[in-house]
Amino acid sequence: EDQVTQSPEALRLQEGESSSLNCSYTVSGLRGLFWYRQDPGKGPEFLFTLYSAGEEKEKERLKATLTKKESFLHITAPKPEDSATYLCAVQTTPNTGNQFYFGTGTSLTVIP
Amino acid sequence: GAGVSQSPSNKVTEKGKDVELRCDPISGHTALYWYRQRLGQGLEFLIYFQGNSAPDKSGLPSDRFSAERTGESVSTLTIQRTQQEDSAVYLCASSSDTYNEQFFGPGTRLTVL
Repeated sequence: EDQVTQSPEALRLQEGESSSLNCSYTVSGLRGLFWYRQDPGKGPEFLFTLYSAGEEKEKERLKATLTKKESFLHITAPKPEDSATYLCAVQTTPNTGNQFYFGTGTSLTVIP
Repeated sequence: GAGVSQSPSNKVTEKGKDVELRCDPISGHTALYWYRQRLGQGLEFLIYFQGNSAPDKSGLPSDRFSAERTGESVSTLTIQRTQQEDSAVYLCASSSDTYNEQFFGPGTRLTVL
């Protein structure tokens, strides 16, 4: 069964304390893995797409990496404005349904 | 240009009533998705439109749910005979094609009393 699992469910960090969020996936065929940020009361905001194992992408304090079984979102020296829920989603290949599956997210709180 | 817009932003209805939720995708985006997000849960795929192809309705939870899209523009999600378990935020997203990232609207918060 295709599924996406994110951990931890919640994470509290002091400002400047680096950490990583995990997204583990089990899918028949991976077309792409997506990271989104969601602020309360808003729709998810796109961050990154990763397509193949070994790929990395960076944006400001965030870096996303991908292996054959999981993806990590590394947050370096976070600031309070990085507080949000981070969602991971996988898209399966066309011959396995071309479906999108979202994880339940990691709620990040960065304390000043 | 403008992002994805959804209306209404909030909808309170009584059990058994029908509701219509609207989504205006980003101009030129051929793919459109509807998701449901219950409180504290992940996004649940409902339905997907791609151009003029038949929609993928595999995520619709029951026959009370239906959606239409006019060409490559506006989409309407209709929930008939609403139930309390339909209470959730309904999110719409659009994409320039099937394989690109999705851009989400702000959602419609539906409360069924």
